[in-house]
Amino acid sequence: DSGVTQTPKHLITATGQRVTLRCSPRSGDLSVYWYQQSLDQGLQFLIQYYNGEERAKGNILERFSAQQFPDLHSELNLSSLELGDSALYFCASSVPRGTGSYNEQFFGPGTRLTVL
Amino acid sequence: AQKITQTQPGMFVQEKEAVTLDCTYDTSDPSYGLFWYKQPSSGEMIFLIYQGSYDQQNATEGRYSLNFQKARKSANLVISASQLGDSAMYFCAMREHRETSYDKVIFGPGTSLSVIP
Repeated sequence: DSGVTQTPKHLITATGQRVTLRCSPRSGDLSVYWYQQSLDQGLQFLIQYYNGEERAKGNILERFSAQQFPDLHSELNLSSLELGDSALYFCASSVPRGTGSYNEQFFGPGTRLTVL
Repeated sequence: AQKITQTQPGMFVQEKEAVTLDCTYDTSDPSYGLFWYKQPSSGEMIFLIYQGSYDQQNATEGRYSLNFQKARKSANLVISASQLGDSAMYFCAMREHRETSYDKVIFGPGTSLSVIP
């Protein structure tokens, strides 16, 4: 158990809908990362938050947005869903460089999104 | 642009033998970190080992060691004494260190390792 929790574990929805994925980082970790893993795109970095602020951005679509709340949990919002958004979405947490031990990202179990 | 290459889509190794999984990277940043993760069929991502670009010695964690050749931009994972439970996908990843609290990570395509009894 990494200490990172993600809900829900599975999500099935229809095209055009909007969903919210939730992540709670390990206690004390300030950074949260979101990744998308699909069969054709592999593991893609989406976005990173540190202590409530967006810090690094990857291949995140404009239809997707995220935020990190004062209690450090994070949500990833996916809207106008398309079939191609079906994937495993991981959240990870760590304490970033310069603020403490930094050498590992702890991954949550993932949310499997299926868009029908 | 930063890039991670894993040229071995699939590998087989005999149980108890050692195996090397290749990883090359491309970056112009002087400061970066390299990771290896294991993803078994159950889907979770398991951290294995980390190497910082300024680390003088190769990282080791139990049966895992990282063969870091900075000039060649390679960070190969060596698994010694393979076990059946090592069968999984293995991902090499690189983290940019542009500034404190900035953490962009890119992953390679992965190598599927199968350990044969």
